[in-house]
Amino acid sequence: EDQVTQSPEALRLQEGESSSLNCSYTVSGLRGLFWYRQDPGKGPEFLFTLYSAGEEKEKERLKATLTKKESFLHITAPKPEDSATYLCAVQAGTSGTYKYIFGTGTRLKVLA
Amino acid sequence: DTGVSQDPRHKITKRGQNVTFRCDPISEHNRLYWYRQTLGQGPEFLTYFQNEAQLEKSRLLSDRFSAERPKGSFSTLEIQRTEQGDSAMYLCASSWTGGYGYTFGSGTRLTVV
Repeated sequence: EDQVTQSPEALRLQEGESSSLNCSYTVSGLRGLFWYRQDPGKGPEFLFTLYSAGEEKEKERLKATLTKKESFLHITAPKPEDSATYLCAVQAGTSGTYKYIFGTGTRLKVLA
Repeated sequence: DTGVSQDPRHKITKRGQNVTFRCDPISEHNRLYWYRQTLGQGPEFLTYFQNEAQLEKSRLLSDRFSAERPKGSFSTLEIQRTEQGDSAMYLCASSWTGGYGYTFGSGTRLTVV
């Protein structure tokens, strides 16, 4: 069964303290891996798509990387406004399906 | 275009009542998705439309749930005979063919009392 696991469940950082969030996946035929940010009471906001091992994407203080088994979301010198839940999702299987399988997320709190 | 719109934002209903939610996707997007999210969990796939055709449904979508997308524009999700276990955030998202990543709406939070 396709599965996505995110760790840690929660993370508290001081402002400026860099860290990484992990998303490990077990799927048959990865077609894409997606990172989203979700603020309380809101829908997820798209951050990155990664398609193949070795691929990297960057946006401001965030950098996403992908290997054959996992993805990392690196946060460099975070600010309090980076506090949110970060969700990882995969799209897998045959070309006829477009659903995502989400992990349970990492709740990030950045303290000033 | 201001993104994906969902209405209502919040809905409180009594157990056994029927509820209907509406989603207006981004106008250029031909794909529309419904997900359900409970507290502390990631979104779970419910169903997906390409234009007006419903192409995929999750096993989570029991007979009490029905979704439509008439004319390939807005979509509705109806839950009949609501149960307390239906309490969740219902998220709609849209994308276009070949698009990278969905755009989600802000969701409809359903509370069944």
